[in-house]
Amino acid sequence: RKEVEQDPGPFNVPEGATVAFNCTYSNSASQSFFWYRQDCRKEPKLLMSVYSSGNEDGRFTAQLNRASQYISLLIRDSKLSDSATYLCVVNKTGGFKTIFGAGTRLFVKA
Amino acid sequence: SAVISQKPSRDICQRGTSLTIQCQVDSQVTMMFWYRQQPGQSLTLIATANQGSEATYESGFVIDKFPISRPNLTFSTLTVSNMSPEDSSIYLCSATTGVNQPQHFGDGTRLSIL
Repeated sequence: RKEVEQDPGPFNVPEGATVAFNCTYSNSASQSFFWYRQDCRKEPKLLMSVYSSGNEDGRFTAQLNRASQYISLLIRDSKLSDSATYLCVVNKTGGFKTIFGAGTRLFVKA
Repeated sequence: SAVISQKPSRDICQRGTSLTIQCQVDSQVTMMFWYRQQPGQSLTLIATANQGSEATYESGFVIDKFPISRPNLTFSTLTVSNMSPEDSSIYLCSATTGVNQPQHFGDGTRLSIL
């Protein structure tokens, strides 16, 4: 079993749609969680951190369920510019080791 | 967040040669890392660049093939030695300021081996 698992997609959605990505992690002691966005042929960029209380940044909402070892990202009112690969990222406890999921590809179409 | 500059941004090299990639951060960071990413694939960690000591390599990567330096808190280099076509990839450096902090990435080096 991979340490961080994501649905690879691709997700094909129309503009204005709401789309949700899920991610599960295997190490129950993991401490910190992030979503990154990676555009084609570009480096990954931090989208948002994920907190147990849930957090929102504009059209993006991230949730963490420690009991189920599950992370989600919700994108509302999708824009064409949201088309990218979304990476779920988990930091291992006690160190700097970071595990990147394989990513979920999103295509938003007009 | 830290601004990370990598160079070269791309190169085309002959097999058997070596290339050194530089990574410069605009502020002091705790940890720096080197990754490889094949097209359409996820990131693979090569090693953690430790300041003042030898890098810590992941399984499948060795110092003779990927020597790494980190002479101070803002700079690191990765050398890809004795290159073969299988080394064609994007190489990325990243940095973080502390435990449980996110990593930030340089814009990558696109390497092609002929």
